[in-house]
Amino acid sequence: DAGVIQSPRHEVTEMGQEVTLRCKPISGHDYLFWYRQTMMRGLELLIYFNNNVPIDDSGMPEDRFSAKMPNASFSTLKIQPSEPRDSAVYFCASTKDRNTGELFFGEGSRLTVL
Amino acid sequence: AQSVTQLGSHVSVSEGALVLLRCNYSSSVPPYLFWYVQYPNQGLQLLLKYTTGATLVKGINGFEAEFKKSETSFHLTKPSAHMSDAAEYFCAVSDPGGGSYIPTFGRGTSLIVHP
Repeated sequence: DAGVIQSPRHEVTEMGQEVTLRCKPISGHDYLFWYRQTMMRGLELLIYFNNNVPIDDSGMPEDRFSAKMPNASFSTLKIQPSEPRDSAVYFCASTKDRNTGELFFGEGSRLTVL
Repeated sequence: AQSVTQLGSHVSVSEGALVLLRCNYSSSVPPYLFWYVQYPNQGLQLLLKYTTGATLVKGINGFEAEFKKSETSFHLTKPSAHMSDAAEYFCAVSDPGGGSYIPTFGRGTSLIVHP
């Protein structure tokens, strides 16, 4: 089985540009999570979906961030406009059963905003 | 709300030495506890977890952890470190009984293994 697939793996952009990160969860997993990892703040939950519906977006830092899940096999995290402080590794994770607490992570998208 | 504290952002051991990574949690109800490992340039993967039952939990690659309710701890150990164990280790807690299903992660501990 393929794992969680994220793209791009690396993105370098200039301040003010729009950034779109993509995620394909494991087939059959009903829950999808977006995390951000930085040295300063560690691993932060940004938002999670259940059956393509956003359940909790309280971790989204501000209106510049938005996430969508148009179908069960695809999700995007968009930053517009991007700022240098958005530089981080963004992880997507999925799970079939949230009760287990076991999340399956993608390899991450490393974003650098100059 | 649950929280996790990992003592020590970096732990350095010699190859063959005991590995001990410390984790203390805060939870109002019996928690689920996890250790995840992150190898360089990779995502996190589950190492082991405690939900109910036996308090000593064995995971992959020879790691184990013991749930100690009286100490609110879930320390990760391995008798003999290998160079391939060098990675970032994250402790996490969830409170499914309290309705908090999503794990909350600690800040991580970087394990450095010297030859």
